[in-house]
Amino acid sequence: RKEVEQDPGPFNVPEGATVAFNCTYSNSASQSFFWYRQDCRKEPKLLMSVYSSGNEDGRFTAQLNRASQYISLLIRDSKLSDSATYLCVVKRFSGGYNKLIFGAGTRLAVHP
Amino acid sequence: EPEVTQTPSHQVTQMGQEVILRCVPISNHLYFYWYRQILGQKVEFLVSFYNNEISEKSEIFDDQFSVERPDGSNFTLKIRSTKLEDSAMYFCASGGAGESTDTQYFGPGTRLTVL
Repeated sequence: RKEVEQDPGPFNVPEGATVAFNCTYSNSASQSFFWYRQDCRKEPKLLMSVYSSGNEDGRFTAQLNRASQYISLLIRDSKLSDSATYLCVVKRFSGGYNKLIFGAGTRLAVHP
Repeated sequence: EPEVTQTPSHQVTQMGQEVILRCVPISNHLYFYWYRQILGQKVEFLVSFYNNEISEKSEIFDDQFSVERPDGSNFTLKIRSTKLEDSAMYFCASGGAGESTDTQYFGPGTRLTVL
């Protein structure tokens, strides 16, 4: 079983749509959770951290359910510029240091 | 805004050759990482580095790989004898200290093509 699993995608949505991405992780020792965004052939860029209480940043809302080991990202009022691959990322504490475990990503295409 | 830089942006090499990929992490960061992404696949952890030594490495990071921080600013990844399957995008990342260790900032990557 993959340590971080995401919706396979791609998601094709019109501008203005609301789109939700889901992610599950298998290692209960995972400590911190993030959504990164990756444009084609570019580096991953941090979109937002995910907290147990849920958190919002403008049009983006992230939620974490530790009991279910489930993470979500909601994008409201999609823009053309939101088109990218969204990566669910988990940080696992290991021997005193941290490494990021990436999901395979879900591709989003927003069309006019 | 400070950023991680990497050189070269694209490296083409022949199988069996040695390559060195270079990174300049964010200046006050203490934790350094290399990740790779084979085309069409997910980003994979290779190695983490702290206090001038490797803190963790993945099963991908075999004896052909090494990392070094030769001076106060550069962080390098060396592949001693490249194989075709080493072709990938290699990302360097760095992280701060204290509460900011949660966040890793990625460089733009070096695309390695092994022929």
